[in-house]
Amino acid sequence: AQSVTQPDIHITVSEGASLELRCNYSYGATPYLFWYVQSPGQGLQLLLKYFSGDTLVQGIKGFEAEFKRSQSSFNLRKPSVHWSDAAEYFCAVGAGNQGGKLIFGQGTELSVKP
Amino acid sequence: DGGITQSPKYLFRKEGQNVTLSCEQNLNHDAMYWYRQDPGQGLRLIYYSQIVNDFQKGDIAEGYSVSREKKESFPLTVTSAQKNPTAFYLCASSIGGQGARNEQFFGPGTRLTVL
Repeated sequence: AQSVTQPDIHITVSEGASLELRCNYSYGATPYLFWYVQSPGQGLQLLLKYFSGDTLVQGIKGFEAEFKRSQSSFNLRKPSVHWSDAAEYFCAVGAGNQGGKLIFGQGTELSVKP
Repeated sequence: DGGITQSPKYLFRKEGQNVTLSCEQNLNHDAMYWYRQDPGQGLRLIYYSQIVNDFQKGDIAEGYSVSREKKESFPLTVTSAQKNPTAFYLCASSIGGQGARNEQFFGPGTRLTVL
C-alpha cells in the first residue's frame, strides 16, 4: 500500500536560514509527488509537484524539491526562510489508478525565529 | 475568480444531530474529494467522486454520507453515527480522469465542533 512519512513533526529555523523538510514515500510504480502548505485555519495550497523528467522541481515562494528514487524521498528545500513561511507543510503521493486519490503525510509544522 | 467555497466556516452541532457541510466549485472540475484533518494525523479521505451521480468511499467513510447531483456541488453530511465528528473538514477538486497526475485544489475548510 502507498504511504508517505514526514519524520519531523515540528521544525524551528531562524529567519534567513536554509530549510529542508523531509518526505519519504512507499509506492510500487513511478510516483506522482506533491508538496502543499497550510496556514492556520486555512485550506491547502500547492507548492510544487513532480511527475517525471528533471528530478529537481521548482515551485512557488522560492521552494524547490528533489526527487530521489534510490532513497524514496522527495525533500522540500528553501535557501533562505522568511517569517511568512511559518505554516504546516504536507507531502503527498498520488495513488495511481484510484481515482486521483492523494495519500498525505502527517505534516511538518514550521516555526520561524526572528 | 475560479475556486472552491466551503460553508459555513464554523459549525456547531449537538450530539445526535446530523449536519451538512457545503462544498461548491466553479473550476469545471470532474473530481471532488472530502478530507478530515485532525492534529498530528494529516488528511484522511472520507469520500470522493469522479463524476456526477457517482462516488466512492475513502478510508474513513463510516458515519458520513455524500451526494453528487451536480458537477459543481459535493455536500457532506456528518451523521449521528459518526462517534467523534469534531474536526476540520476540507473539500478539494481536480480535473479528474484516471491516474494521479492531477493536482487537487482545496477550499478554505469548515471547522465542526460537537457540543
